[in-house]
Amino acid sequence: QVTLKESGPVLVKPTETLTLTCTVSGFSLSNARMGVSWIRQPPGKALEWLAHIFSNDEKSYSTSLKSRLTISKDTSKSQVVLTMTNMDPVDTATYYCARIPAYCSGGSCYSRAVKFDYWGQGTLVTVSS
Amino acid sequence: DIQMTQSPSSLSASVGDRVTITCQASQDISNYLNWYQQKPGKAPKLLIYDASNLETGVPSRFSGSGSGTDFTFTISSLQPEDIATYYCQQYDNLPPETLTFGGGTKVEIK
Repeated sequence: QVTLKESGPVLVKPTETLTLTCTVSGFSLSNARMGVSWIRQPPGKALEWLAHIFSNDEKSYSTSLKSRLTISKDTSKSQVVLTMTNMDPVDTATYYCARIPAYCSGGSCYSRAVKFDYWGQGTLVTVSS
Repeated sequence: DIQMTQSPSSLSASVGDRVTITCQASQDISNYLNWYQQKPGKAPKLLIYDASNLETGVPSRFSGSGSGTDFTFTISSLQPEDIATYYCQQYDNLPPETLTFGGGTKVEIK
């Protein structure tokens, strides 16, 4: 059974750095060309993709937030960590992690960010002094 | 970056109605488009991938079509449990692999 669970602070102050952890089970971060992504959703607003990382350590970041984001993984702990620097009240949102399945075509499978097939429950982070 | 324009932003329909949502990409994305359903307080759920493929276990009343820049998501017969917000999502064919969601369509029962 595939599960993902987000954890981290509920409240951060402006200018602080946010560190979120996604703990996964039911699949491995070290093989099968799968990946994990972070996506956020401000209250009442749309989803916004932030970053992803694959089993081969390939990473990609949102163009608009790239300078503030770092994604990494600890395979031994089955965890993916996202840090976001210089937090602002506009960063208040529910932060989700989601699995990116391997992309398979023509008998071969690749690490390719195509879709999100399993999601965590999300964690609400409020930025306020 | 590719922009995704989804319309309408909300709609109200009766049980049994056919519901259609559109998503327009700012440039040709072939069939690199997925659709998600998000119920209040819950994480999104993948319904359609690659524009027209139904995810395993998803009811057949949901369907998708389109290619290039214009895409359509349809619920053939709206059910009470379909009350949710629906999002389209595009993905890139080439590195850097970025993904973009549409603005969402909130579906309500009339």
